[in-house]
Amino acid sequence: QVQLVQSGAEVKKPGASVKVSCKASGYTFTGYYMHWVRQAPGQGLEWMGWINPNSGGTNYAQKFQGRVTMTRDTSISTAYMELSRLRSDDTAVYYCARGPPVVVVATYFDYWGQGTLVTVSS
Amino acid sequence: SYELTQPPSVSVSPGQTARITCSGDALPKQYAYWYQQKPGQAPVLVIYKDSERPSGIPERFSGSSSGTTVTLTISGVQAEDEADYYCQSADSSGTYRGVVFGGGTKLTVL
Repeated sequence: QVQLVQSGAEVKKPGASVKVSCKASGYTFTGYYMHWVRQAPGQGLEWMGWINPNSGGTNYAQKFQGRVTMTRDTSISTAYMELSRLRSDDTAVYYCARGPPVVVVATYFDYWGQGTLVTVSS
Repeated sequence: SYELTQPPSVSVSPGQTARITCSGDALPKQYAYWYQQKPGQAPVLVIYKDSERPSGIPERFSGSSSGTTVTLTISGVQAEDEADYYCQSADSSGTYRGVVFGGGTKLTVL
């Protein structure tokens, strides 16, 4: 069965960086887009961007351009999201979410990781 | 920037029908997707491509589309359906460059 298992909670100071991992299993990792979505406490879902695990190509939401980097390691079926220059309003649960097959032009998320809480506090 | 608009809350009694709407100018050209999120849990896809239901999702969940509005309908609402519901679509350019979520609707089962 498809599983996305994320790394554990993080506490960071303003200005620091955080790197969250997402290990995929139960499917061909390079065959599906991987997205990152975050949710601030008590707020809605916010899309951050995607990575094509096959090519390494990325597409970031304009809001995060210049601060976010999405990478992958195909040898261990793991995707990473690094967010730099953290601010207090970056405090949120960060989710990885599987998108459609890389050959499909569509936008949806059929499997989600359990979420990683990132707290930014001085 | 492109937005999807949902009502903040909807309330229904058990056994009744709940309808949650989502409006956006690009919805006639882009598919909509719906997610259910219960407290402390990750979202779950309940409707894709406007009206398709993933395997494992109960038949009481259905979706429809009309013009710039899509609707998630839950027939015979059960207590376990109480959750936040989010609509999602591609951005208005249609080039698979971006993703947008609605603000979410809290469904309360009275």
